[in-house]
Amino acid sequence: EAGVAQSPRYKIIEKRQSVAFWCNPISGHATLYWYQQILGQGPKLLIQFQNNGVVDDSQLPKDRFSAERLKGVDSTLKIQPAKLEDSAVYLCASVLGAGVSSYEQYFGPGTRLTVT
Amino acid sequence: TQLLEQSPQFLSIQEGENLTVYCNSSSVFSSLQWYRQEPGEGPVLLVTVVTGGEVKKLKRLTFQFGDARKDSSLHITAAQPGDTGLYLCAPRAGWDKIIFGKGTRLHILP
Repeated sequence: EAGVAQSPRYKIIEKRQSVAFWCNPISGHATLYWYQQILGQGPKLLIQFQNNGVVDDSQLPKDRFSAERLKGVDSTLKIQPAKLEDSAVYLCASVLGAGVSSYEQYFGPGTRLTVT
Repeated sequence: TQLLEQSPQFLSIQEGENLTVYCNSSSVFSSLQWYRQEPGEGPVLLVTVVTGGEVKKLKRLTFQFGDARKDSSLHITAAQPGDTGLYLCAPRAGWDKIIFGKGTRLHILP
């Protein structure tokens, strides 16, 4: 079974530029998450999708970040314009089910963003 | 806001030694997961604990959920270089959501 795919793996941009990240979850996983992981921290949830609908975007800085999952499969996260503090690893994860014992998030390798 | 603390933040020990890392909170959780993240990779689930006082073993790793379901510990016996990584505690924060601690960065010296 193919895992969660993310691209690009690395990106370096200057502040005020735009950037987009792509994620393709595991086939059949309805729930998709985007996380931001700053160096030395644990992953912080940015947005959660259930199929093509947004479930939780309370921690997404909506003035500069946007995300979509138009067909309920792959997803794109965009930052426009980027700030220095956006330098982080952006992780995508997907989940098949939400049972107490069966809940498991499968993560992609992440995209490491450096804003200079 | 739930306060979730992992300790220690960093741990560097020699191969063959034992160690314990901790995850503490003032909140009660329905379940709690431990993930391990290696450099350049996403986190990978190690275990889910559900019942207060539950102990689960995964080879040389022993996980315990506190009786009050507010805390958890991970004990590694005879640590090996392959155990090196970031260990993340992740309690269930809702039906379909988990929150991550800052993690314990573990380095095993050969």
